[in-house]
Amino acid sequence: AQKITQTQPGMFVQEKEAVTLDCTYDTSDPSYGLFWYKQPSSGEMIFLIYQGSYDQQNATEGRYSLNFQKARKSANLVISASQLGDSAMYFCAPSGAGSYQLTFGKGTKLSVIP
Amino acid sequence: KAGVTQTPRYLIKTRGQQVTLSCSPISGHRSVSWYQQTPGQGLQFLFEYFSETQRNKGNFPGRFSGRQFSNSRSEMNVSTLELGDSALYLCASSIGTPVDTQYFGPGTRLTVL
Repeated sequence: AQKITQTQPGMFVQEKEAVTLDCTYDTSDPSYGLFWYKQPSSGEMIFLIYQGSYDQQNATEGRYSLNFQKARKSANLVISASQLGDSAMYFCAPSGAGSYQLTFGKGTKLSVIP
Repeated sequence: KAGVTQTPRYLIKTRGQQVTLSCSPISGHRSVSWYQQTPGQGLQFLFEYFSETQRNKGNFPGRFSGRQFSNSRSEMNVSTLELGDSALYLCASSIGTPVDTQYFGPGTRLTVL
C-alpha cells in the first residue's frame, strides 16, 4: 500500500510571497505519477500539476512547480506569488502503474494573508 | 469541453434508507472513480470503473456498490445508510490508464440523520 505524508497541517503565507508545501510518499511501484490537487471550501478537487516518476525535469504549470526528489520520494509543491484565491486545502496523491486509484495524504491547509 | 458533473449536489437521508448518486464524466473519458471524504478518514478510494467493468475496489463494506453504463456515466449506491456514511462523495474521470490525470466533479454532500 502507498503511504503519503504531508507534515504541515496548516500554513500561512503573505500575499505575493512564495510557499512550499511538503509531500513524501512511499511506493513500491517503479513507475508512478505524482499529482497535486487543490480543494477550496466549495469542495471540488482541482488538478494543479503532475510529475511522472521517469520525468527528468521538475514539472511546472504557471505559478505551480514541483521540487521532485525521486531518491528521497519527495515531491514538494511550490506556489509562487501567492494570491488570496490560493487559500485552500492542498493534497498530494501518487498513482501507481499497477493501480487505478489515487491515494491521498491528509492535506495541508494554506491560508494567504493580505 | 464540459467538466465532470455530479447529481444531486446535496442530499439528506435517514438511517436505514438507501441512496443513489450519479456522475457524468468528461466526454471521451472511459474511467470513473469514486472517493469518499470525511473529516475523520480523509479521502478514501471507493471503486473505479472502466468500460462498464469494475477494475479496482477500496476497502468498503458491500453496502457500497456502483455501476457504469455504456455511455460511461456511473452511479454509486449506498444501502442501509448509517450515520457514518455522511460525507462528501467525489467522482473523478480520466481516459483510463493508471497515471492519467483524474478530473473531479463538484461532489455530492450526503447527510445521514
